[in-house]
Amino acid sequence: GAGVSQSPSNKVTEKGKDVELRCDPISGHTALYWYRQSLGQGLEFLIYFQGNSAPDKSGLPSDRFSAERTGGSVSTLTIQRTQQEDSAVYLCASSLLSGRMDNEQFFGPGTRLTVL
Amino acid sequence: GENVEQHPSTLSVQEGDSAVIKCTYSDSASNYFPWYKQELGKRPQLIIDIRSNVGEKKDQRIAVTLNKTAKHFSLHITETQPEDSAVYFCAAGKGFQKLVFGTGTRLLVSP
Repeated sequence: GAGVSQSPSNKVTEKGKDVELRCDPISGHTALYWYRQSLGQGLEFLIYFQGNSAPDKSGLPSDRFSAERTGGSVSTLTIQRTQQEDSAVYLCASSLLSGRMDNEQFFGPGTRLTVL
Repeated sequence: GENVEQHPSTLSVQEGDSAVIKCTYSDSASNYFPWYKQELGKRPQLIIDIRSNVGEKKDQRIAVTLNKTAKHFSLHITETQPEDSAVYFCAAGKGFQKLVFGTGTRLLVSP
């Protein structure tokens, strides 16, 4: 595709349910990032993939959060037993590991998660 | 770990004025400093970035300066227009690793 896509665009769930959020990066982009943006706040790093491995999971808030990436492409962020504080926009970004010092991260449109 | 602070949190200017947003970072190993613009309900989009081996970069009405010694970098927008109104985020990173973002500056340009 032309850009990073995410699905669903909106997700409303009940407290305690599990949710899966999907990210399709730009074709050929090796690196994939997940961030979380609460209402009116900045972007909070969650996890980063290089290929299918995750060298940095330091931003995952708790063990209820997990993510995987298969085939070096699509990634899924899973939140188990959702809580109201998980409500936020979850943003995915991808970048081309060109070997240069700067690697622009291209963002997807985000998934707005609301936990009732 | 890296910590990025951004000021001011809100900035109101008249059309045609200049706007300056400042950020500081803590990790001297950071070498990549992008600036993103986020309009309401939209995704963040890169507007300009700078690497640690460069002190200043300009793109039309937008410029970024970097002071590695002081560990701060700034975004300068000249001749502001109403369509510049948005939230601006600075960030710091090391190569392809994660970006650590500032808390954002809401810029309002009044006609």
